[in-house]
Amino acid sequence: KNQVEQSPQSLIILEGKNCTLQCNYTVSPFSNLRWYKQDTGRGPVSLTIMTFSENTKSNGRYTATLDADTKQSSLHITASQLSDSASYICVVSSDYGGATNKLIFGTGTLLAVQP
Amino acid sequence: DGGITQSPKYLFRKEGQNVTLSCEQNLNHDAMYWYRQDPGQGLRLIYYSQIVNDFQKGDIAEGYSVSREKKESFPLTVTSAQKNPTAFYLCASRGVGGEQFFGPGTRLTVL
Repeated sequence: KNQVEQSPQSLIILEGKNCTLQCNYTVSPFSNLRWYKQDTGRGPVSLTIMTFSENTKSNGRYTATLDADTKQSSLHITASQLSDSASYICVVSSDYGGATNKLIFGTGTLLAVQP
Repeated sequence: DGGITQSPKYLFRKEGQNVTLSCEQNLNHDAMYWYRQDPGQGLRLIYYSQIVNDFQKGDIAEGYSVSREKKESFPLTVTSAQKNPTAFYLCASRGVGGEQFFGPGTRLTVL
């Protein structure tokens, strides 16, 4: 069964600190993996996307890694800011550009950054 | 200003009522999607449409209906047959490369 599991479920950190969120997946065939940021009451916004051949991708203070052998990904946030408080969702795609675009969503990690 | 809009932001439904959620996009995307989000669960696919006048059931289509008469619009109707409709509903469209762009969502509450 295709699944995406994220940990921790929730996390509280102090402003300025770093943190790492984890994503393990059992999706086949694998096409790509995305990390989305979802503010409370808003739609998700894409942070990074990685294909099978990529093992790291950065977007400002966000750095995602992918280990396709162990089927694990992480999202590292550097020098956290209050605006980083949100839910972070790992999404794995199992299509190869086909119109059905099957996405498997993790349940998200809820991050709270405190001053 | 390109993007996806959803309306209303909040919607209240009485038992036995049908309600329609609006989704509009000006990104010129062919494919559009409706998801449901519940606390502690990942997004679940309700319906999707690859092209005008065509749509397919997703994983949890029971109690929902859609139409796709225009490329820009993909409204979702939550019918009285949906027994537990209280949730956050997200519409998305698919761009080049497969990335899905999400709207701001509609929170539906059953009174």
